[in-house]
Amino acid sequence: DIQMTQSPSSLSASVGDRVTITCRASHDISNYLAWFQQKPGKAPNSLIYAASSLESGVPSRFSGSGSGTDFTLTINSLQPQDFATYYCQQYSTYPVVTFGGGTKVEI
Amino acid sequence: EVQLLESGGGLVQPGGSLRLSCAASGFIFRTFAMSWVRQAPGKGLEWVSVVTSNGGATFYADSVKGRCTISRDNSMKTVYLQLNSLRAEDTATYFCAMFYFDGGAYTDFWGQGTLVTVSS
Repeated sequence: DIQMTQSPSSLSASVGDRVTITCRASHDISNYLAWFQQKPGKAPNSLIYAASSLESGVPSRFSGSGSGTDFTLTINSLQPQDFATYYCQQYSTYPVVTFGGGTKVEI
Repeated sequence: EVQLLESGGGLVQPGGSLRLSCAASGFIFRTFAMSWVRQAPGKGLEWVSVVTSNGGATFYADSVKGRCTISRDNSMKTVYLQLNSLRAEDTATYFCAMFYFDGGAYTDFWGQGTLVTVSS
C-alpha cells in the first residue's frame, strides 16, 4: 500500500501570505497526484491533478509541483476564501486511491 | 450535470449493520468505477472502497475489509456500501465519489455525504 504523508498538519497564515504544503509518498507515484480543498461541512473540491495541472476555474494563485515521492502545493497571496483544509491524493494505484492526512490552513 | 446522492445513513448500535446507497445521474454510470470515502468527525479523508465499472472487481481499505461489501446496479445507476459489525470508529460521513483516470486526465465528482453514527 502507498502511504501519503502531509506536512504540516496545520498552519497559521495571514491574508496575502505565501503558503506551502508538502506531501510525501511512500513509493514512487510518478506525477499521479491530486490536491483537494475542503471547507467545513462540504465535500472536497479538486484543485490540481497530475501534480501540477490546474483544474478548470481554479485561481492561478494555486500551483503544484513535484514528481516521484515529493510534492508541494503552493498558494500565493492567500485570500480569505482559501482558509480551509487541503488534502493530497495519490491515484497511481487507480482505482484504489490514498489520501494524505490533511493540512488545515487557519488565520 | 453530474449528481451523486447518498442515502441510508443514521444511528446504529455497535455490532449492527447499515446499507448506504448512492444514486448517480448526469453521466454514463456503467462506464465508471465508483468509490466510497469516509471522514470521521474532525478527521481527514479515508478511502474506503471501490467497485469497477462492471462490478467485476472490488477493493477495500484494511480498516473495513471483511466487514464491508461494495456493489452496484448499473440498471438503477446506484452504488451500495453494506457495512456490518459496525464499531464506534466507523462513525463518519460517508461520501460517494467517482474518480476517473484514463492515463492522462483525472476527474472527480463527489456527493454531499451521509452521516453514519455508531453508538449505543
